[in-house]
Amino acid sequence: SQQGEEDPQALSIQEGENATMNCSYKTSINNLQWYRQNSGRGLVHLILIRSNEREKHSGRLRVTLDTSKKSSSLLITASRAADTASYFCATVSLYGNKLVFGAGTILRVKS
Amino acid sequence: EAGVAQSPRYKIIEKRQSVAFWCNPISGHATLYWYQQILGQGPKLLIQFQNNGVVDDSQLPKDRFSAERLKGVDSTLKIQPAKLEDSAVYLCASSLAFGGIYEQYFGPGTRLTVT
Repeated sequence: SQQGEEDPQALSIQEGENATMNCSYKTSINNLQWYRQNSGRGLVHLILIRSNEREKHSGRLRVTLDTSKKSSSLLITASRAADTASYFCATVSLYGNKLVFGAGTILRVKS
Repeated sequence: EAGVAQSPRYKIIEKRQSVAFWCNPISGHATLYWYQQILGQGPKLLIQFQNNGVVDDSQLPKDRFSAERLKGVDSTLKIQPAKLEDSAVYLCASSLAFGGIYEQYFGPGTRLTVT
């Protein structure tokens, strides 16, 4: 079963704009991770945020986590055509040791 | 550093045939995972190894799927007999150690089409 639900399912923006993707989940978590998947580089880990963290940055990526709402968001600033990919959130439950992926958001960045 | 290697990259078989996929994880990574990714969905964990022992195979359809990791390094995933609904990309991943806090590194996947 898939724990995370991403929203929107698909997003199309112009190069230079910001892209925001949201993820909601159902059970208490140890951490939440975001992955990117494109045909060129496969599935790649982007960032991990622990349940006791509220915000994390990595380059042009900003991830927030609200455990009270069981939700997370991924913000990509100043998007580039190379950011075109599917983005997945994946959760590790509080007492678990495996990743459970959502269905993903398809991002298209037009140049 | 070499990444996770998988072969073949593509495979087309008829239903009821058997197929095997191979994975070579990143050197030194103790934990190896096999995922199934159906078109339009996120990856679903099939089986997880710690060294050469199975940690979690709760979502592996054991009547037709089997996997092994000999000597705690390479792994093979087999499907016998295949069904139409097995058409998917099979991803292998590895991580340094067991536990959800370790980053997983994914291979390019094997795209299986069952006709």
